[in-house]
Amino acid sequence: DIVMTQSPDSLAVSLGERATINCKSSQSVLYSSNNKNYLAWYQQKLGQPPKLLIYWASTRESGVPDRFSGSGSGTDFTLTISSLQAEDVAIYYCQQYYSTPHTFGQGTKLEIK
Amino acid sequence: QLQLQESGSGLVKPSQTLSLTCAVSGGSISSGGYSWSWIRQPPGKGLEWIGYIYHSGSTYYNPSLKSRVTISVDRSKNQFSLKLNSVTAADTAVYYCAAGGDYFPRHWGQGTLVTVSS
Repeated sequence: DIVMTQSPDSLAVSLGERATINCKSSQSVLYSSNNKNYLAWYQQKLGQPPKLLIYWASTRESGVPDRFSGSGSGTDFTLTISSLQAEDVAIYYCQQYYSTPHTFGQGTKLEIK
Repeated sequence: QLQLQESGSGLVKPSQTLSLTCAVSGGSISSGGYSWSWIRQPPGKGLEWIGYIYHSGSTYYNPSLKSRVTISVDRSKNQFSLKLNSVTAADTAVYYCAAGGDYFPRHWGQGTLVTVSS
């Protein structure tokens, strides 16, 4: 299984400031034949199902604010929120879909400082 | 826009079989290019991928559950199902059904809590 490790486990950021969450996979999730990273990011607010934010490591899902961005390749990935808003308080998960089982990171809890 | 809704027993006795159904609306489960997934989340913990059934009928399961899990599609009812047998307290979780093309879940149900207890 590919192990996904997120850092930090929790993060407190002031409103309007940048938030950065990292995700590292135990093996590359870059598929060489199409040069795509099989990595997605989800946001889960309290009592709600996860919501897809980013797929192919850097493609923003329709309707997701452009303050959310994804970057990285191979084994190291980052989710950045450029200017934190109150509604961004949530737990964020990365997931690899390169190989089954499609494993998730342990989650990063984002709070307001 | 696809909408998904889980249903099934919220309380299952140890050693019995957990059965859940996901009703699909806003689209046909027979449409090509989609995968139909089950994912679970123990209370206060992270997400665990259970498996999915692809539009072709191929199934992919988490090896940690493979001997106990079955995912199937009922095209006549536009729904898909999860069966997990020989459950224990460790199977207590919120169970989500989800769907998406390109292997990652784009649409999620609201989730249903299943408690394993005698």
